[in-house]
Amino acid sequence: KQEVTQIPAALSVPEGENLVLNCSFTDSAIYNLQWFRQDPGKGLTSLLLIQSSQREQTSGRLNASLDKSSGRSTLYIAASQPGDSATYLCAVASGGSYIPTFGRGTSLIVHP
Amino acid sequence: DTEVTQTPKHLVMGMTNKKSLKCEQHMGHRAMYWYKQKAKKPPELMFVYSYEKLSINESVPSRFSPECPNSSLLNLHLHALQPEDSALYLCASSHPGQRNSPLHFGNGTRLTVT
Repeated sequence: KQEVTQIPAALSVPEGENLVLNCSFTDSAIYNLQWFRQDPGKGLTSLLLIQSSQREQTSGRLNASLDKSSGRSTLYIAASQPGDSATYLCAVASGGSYIPTFGRGTSLIVHP
Repeated sequence: DTEVTQTPKHLVMGMTNKKSLKCEQHMGHRAMYWYKQKAKKPPELMFVYSYEKLSINESVPSRFSPECPNSSLLNLHLHALQPEDSALYLCASSHPGQRNSPLHFGNGTRLTVT
């Protein structure tokens, strides 16, 4: 059974810092890996999806990397802004299934 | 704006009530999902419909009854709920079996059982 761990659980940084959020998983036979953002009381917004054959994906200030051999993905946020404050969740689909397993998320606060 | 629409946004119901949550998407996705999310926890999968057929039921109590009337609609019928069922209920959709198809979530229904 796939297990997904996200470190750190919470992070508070001043505006402008470059950030790295970590996601690790136990089953490297992944289908794809997704990073989501969730604002309080809202649904999840898909940020980036990395297919099993890919090493990274980029969208604006966000870059996600995937290393299947080590069971890790990182989400890099450049030049953080207060509007980036949210919970970031990593979700991994594996074992031939497209249904993802979620990590517990990293709660990010970027203060002005 | 989200492409997955959930109604109502908020629902308060007593333990003897019957209510339904609704979800609609027009992205042509043929997989639709119900998740339950408690505060500060990740979403928990409840049900998956693939091509309008129930493919996954994660041992959810029978007081939750899903229905997929067509490829765009997903309902969750609620009956005789318990206070511990209070949570954010999220609907999602995707293309089943496509590695490059992300999950699209609605904004959820905030359910309170009194």
